[in-house]
Amino acid sequence: DTGVSQDPRHKITKRGQNVTFRCDPISEHNRLYWYRQTLGQGPEFLTYFQNEAQLEKSRLLSDRFSAERPKGSFSTLEIQRTEQGDSAMYLCASSLDVQGNEKLFFGSGTQLSVL
Amino acid sequence: AQSVSQHNHHVILSEAASLELGCNYSYGGTVNLFWYVQYPGQHLQLLLKYFSGDPLVKGIKGFEAEFIKSKFSFNLRKPSVQWSDTAEYFCAVRRNTDKLIFGTGTRLQVFP
Repeated sequence: DTGVSQDPRHKITKRGQNVTFRCDPISEHNRLYWYRQTLGQGPEFLTYFQNEAQLEKSRLLSDRFSAERPKGSFSTLEIQRTEQGDSAMYLCASSLDVQGNEKLFFGSGTQLSVL
Repeated sequence: AQSVSQHNHHVILSEAASLELGCNYSYGGTVNLFWYVQYPGQHLQLLLKYFSGDPLVKGIKGFEAEFIKSKFSFNLRKPSVQWSDTAEYFCAVRRNTDKLIFGTGTRLQVFP
């Protein structure tokens, strides 16, 4: 499979626990995005990377959220001290950023349920 | 604040009916515009995009969209929908090399 892979597909956790998600982008893609989506809403931007550099993090994102892309390949998104409001689908997308022509390829997402 | 508005939250059509889904954005200046689609049980995928040139762009599966700069709009159209078009449709806007911002989506149900 040469698409964007996300692991795990589903995660159920108790409030207060930490969770970590992984995203493997398409291999030659230099940009990697994290979005969050809840039922009836569009994907909400969380953060994105150009290679290993984190270019922007949403101001709506609390300090409990952190993301890394250490070698410019795969990325992890960690949520510390999870809350019920964190329950959502977490989407990863990657792209080859060529000026004037960027198409995002999305993974299937990680569905997080915080009990 | 940057925003993308999709006013139709849920649209129900019969097969062969025509479709138009609205999208408005609040940016000034140069923007790139996209429509993404999410079929039931599948991941988001690109339907069509506008970067420059002809404001009427054609995408996959007979969809098209028209960029009207004066109205800050990028409405999606299809002359005759099919049952297989049942999906959720998201408009998205990108300014310069910035991140992609999505609208809230429109759920389309097509009945045979």
